[in-house]
Amino acid sequence: GEDVEQSLFLSVREGDSSVINCTYTDSSSTYLYWYKQEPGAGLQLLTYIFSNMDMKQDQRLTVLLNKKDKHLSLRIADTQTGDSAIYFCAEGGGGADGLTFGKGTHLIIQP
Amino acid sequence: NAGVTQTPKFRVLKTGQSMTLLCAQDMNHEYMYWYRQDPGMGLRLIHYSVGEGTTAKGEVPDGYNVSRLKKQNFLLGLESAAPSQTSVYFCASSLRVNGEAFFGQGTRLTVV
Repeated sequence: GEDVEQSLFLSVREGDSSVINCTYTDSSSTYLYWYKQEPGAGLQLLTYIFSNMDMKQDQRLTVLLNKKDKHLSLRIADTQTGDSAIYFCAEGGGGADGLTFGKGTHLIIQP
Repeated sequence: NAGVTQTPKFRVLKTGQSMTLLCAQDMNHEYMYWYRQDPGMGLRLIHYSVGEGTTAKGEVPDGYNVSRLKKQNFLLGLESAAPSQTSVYFCASSLRVNGEAFFGQGTRLTVV
């Protein structure tokens, strides 16, 4: 079945760039998503990329997609304490059961 | 815009008690989902619905039932709560089958 894998933790210093990686298995994915979950809150869409794109940039966020390797990454430039959260990768392959989510990466910011 | 609203936000149940979690969305979305989130397990799909009057089982459906009598509401029921059902429950909805999912704020349930 479909699977999405991501590392559980990432620790970075404030002001550095954070790169969160994700791999997925469903080659029919048309959209790939990054969600952010702050403590005690629900998931909010951060950004997404269509499967025929290689890169998408949105202010401090850069999404890179390598469709051949089924690898997705999220780069956050100039990481701030407010970026501390869990980041979920998700892929939409078209199944009626909706998006498939990774387990989430806890981004920890060191002062 | 309310989006997706879940009630209640917190609940403590005794083992064997029953309860219903309510999810309401005001975006006219066809697709609705119930997930549970546990530490280290990510989000696991419990049940989902592709439209009014339809429901289907997800990855972890045992111990739960759902109903979608109205398009805007998706109810999750626990008939006889067990400590293993202690979790944070999230409802989500989407317009398209692989489209952006909009999430509620979650219900933190503790079964003692």
